[in-house]
Amino acid sequence: DIQMTQSPSSLSASVRDRVTITCRASQSISIYLNWYQQKPGKAPKLLIYAASSLQSGVPSRFSGSGSGTDFTLTISSLQPEDFATYYCQQSYSPPHTFGGGTKVEIK
Amino acid sequence: QLQLQESGPGLVKPSETLSLTCTVSGGSIRTSSYYWAWIRQPPGEGLKWIATIYYSGNTYYNPSLKSRVTISVDTSKNQFSLKLSSVTAADTAVYYCARRVVVGVNDAFDIWGQGTMVTVSS
Repeated sequence: DIQMTQSPSSLSASVRDRVTITCRASQSISIYLNWYQQKPGKAPKLLIYAASSLQSGVPSRFSGSGSGTDFTLTISSLQPEDFATYYCQQSYSPPHTFGGGTKVEIK
Repeated sequence: QLQLQESGPGLVKPSETLSLTCTVSGGSIRTSSYYWAWIRQPPGEGLKWIATIYYSGNTYYNPSLKSRVTISVDTSKNQFSLKLSSVTAADTAVYYCARRVVVGVNDAFDIWGQGTMVTVSS
């Protein structure tokens, strides 16, 4: 299985901060990398697919980059509704594994 | 718009079989480029993909669960289902059904059900 490692596992930030989350794959996955946002008690929501493509309806303050093994999710100006847990997921080869998650909390 | 809704028992006894159904509304399950999946999340933990099915019946399983899992589709009812046999407490989780879109490099779970909590306990 391809292992997905996210860092940090949690972070504290303030509104309007720039936030960066990293995801590393245990082998090259090209750009087959997706990012999801999950709020407590809710289903995950797709934010970014194919490493850098913004899902329809997602605010432009979210962006993704990377290829191969190293990827980042950036929130350019953190908003109150962005406090949540973020997961990366590889779709390069099955089983389609997820990272362990990064919890973004209010400072 | 397309919606997915999970249904099934919230409590299952150890060693029994967990059975869940996902009903797809607002669109057809018989659509090319879309696959239908089950994903679970134990309390306080991360996400784990369980299985995927195409409307034609092609199936794909997580090897770690394959011996206990069956995924099936009923196109006449616009539903797909999950069966997980010989459950233990480790199978306690929120179970999500989701649509997987596959178009070129776009390969992601783009629509999710709200999830259903299943507890394994006697």
